[in-house]
Amino acid sequence: DGGITQSPKYLFRKEGQNVTLSCEQNLNHDAMYWYRQDPGQGLRLIYYSQIVNDFQKGDIAEGYSVSREKKESFPLTVTSAQKNPTAFYLCASAARDKETQYFGPGTRLLVL
Amino acid sequence: SQELEQSPQSLIVQEGKNLTINCTSSKTLYGLYWYKQKYGEGLIFLMMLQKGGEEKSHEKITAKLDEKKQQSSLHITASQPSHAGIYLCGADGVSQSGNRDDKIIFGKGTRLHILP
Repeated sequence: DGGITQSPKYLFRKEGQNVTLSCEQNLNHDAMYWYRQDPGQGLRLIYYSQIVNDFQKGDIAEGYSVSREKKESFPLTVTSAQKNPTAFYLCASAARDKETQYFGPGTRLLVL
Repeated sequence: SQELEQSPQSLIVQEGKNLTINCTSSKTLYGLYWYKQKYGEGLIFLMMLQKGGEEKSHEKITAKLDEKKQQSSLHITASQPSHAGIYLCGADGVSQSGNRDDKIIFGKGTRLHILP
């Protein structure tokens, strides 16, 4: 089955700790995206990548970092600099830039 | 900057009734996407509209893009409990110069409840 997987489903972070959220796709898509969703808010773009070894900041990149070393993987690190990390994080991919985006199941991050 | 406004924010409908959700853009739409989300889950792609006046259907869900390409509506006929969830519209971003840019922007969603 082709699709996008995100792990873990739930993640707990202690103060001052960095955590990494996984996103993997086997759809052979070039473009991948990370969004953050807060209650009552739409999705906000954190980072996106149109091709391997390249990525761009979205609207709320501060406190986050990404890498795109492989086409199928686009991990997101939430650093200690992100002061309000509690949210639902969604990863998406598209065949190429400006095509329909397909989403993973999401990771809920909670701060202890 | 471009904004997408969805209305209503929340909707409670008796099972079997029809309903409509609207999505209005502050700029001309190059592409308009409709997604459905169950609470705590990812987004499921429903439909994409690009041409003014375009209409697409999937089972009992129909989406239209108006001729001026600044508003889309999602209509559900004879609603069922399986239709409950959050409906989000997304649109290809428009840059300051008026060209299509790399991002999709999203509305805040419409939460749909179906009463049995």
